[in-house]
Amino acid sequence: SAVISQKPSRDICQRGTSLTIQCQVDSQVTMMFWYRQQPGQSLTLIATANQGSEATYESGFVIDKFPISRPNLTFSTLTVSNMSPEDSSIYLCSVEDITTFFGPGTRLTVL
Amino acid sequence: GNSVTQMEGPVTLSEEAFLTINCTYTATGYPSLFWYVQYPGEGLQLLLKATKADDKGSNKGFEATYRKETTSFHLEKGSVQVSDSAVYFCALSPTGGGNKLTFGTGTQLKVEL
Repeated sequence: SAVISQKPSRDICQRGTSLTIQCQVDSQVTMMFWYRQQPGQSLTLIATANQGSEATYESGFVIDKFPISRPNLTFSTLTVSNMSPEDSSIYLCSVEDITTFFGPGTRLTVL
Repeated sequence: GNSVTQMEGPVTLSEEAFLTINCTYTATGYPSLFWYVQYPGEGLQLLLKATKADDKGSNKGFEATYRKETTSFHLEKGSVQVSDSAVYFCALSPTGGGNKLTFGTGTQLKVEL
């Protein structure tokens, strides 16, 4: 099974700033996913990130707001840009390795 | 589109009680179905899964059967423990969908002595 780490584990940010979340996997994986879990809500897929190609965004999410990088098969970043309090969520990285594994999440609070 | 509906929580049970958390889904074709668990302060973990109709997924005493006729995947455990206290998420990935997961809203379970 894949082991996934995320940095930071949590952060408190000011409105209008940006935060980049890192996701590191202990093995090479083709598909990586970014999810958002808003307070009291379920998980929602933001985008799929494959190495060597542009990320594919789900409806309601755009690259300008959530730029994603995938420089290699073990690493990805998600940036939350120009943050507002509505962006306060847990952001989770996940990978497909026979089944789907999730990172521990990054808890973001925007003031 | 695909959707997952699960019973709202929180659910509070006494230790050794029987647990059922209902989950129904809407999807075309034959999706794969999952239960994920999120223990306090930890990440999301796969609990069990079923990939075709009538399959039963099981793990740690939990079971769920893929019922296509009722589009359901209810989670059950015969005797819960305090350590089972967590949030449980039902999810599906569509047929040939590249493993994009659609989640239910989650059900918080609290088990008391």
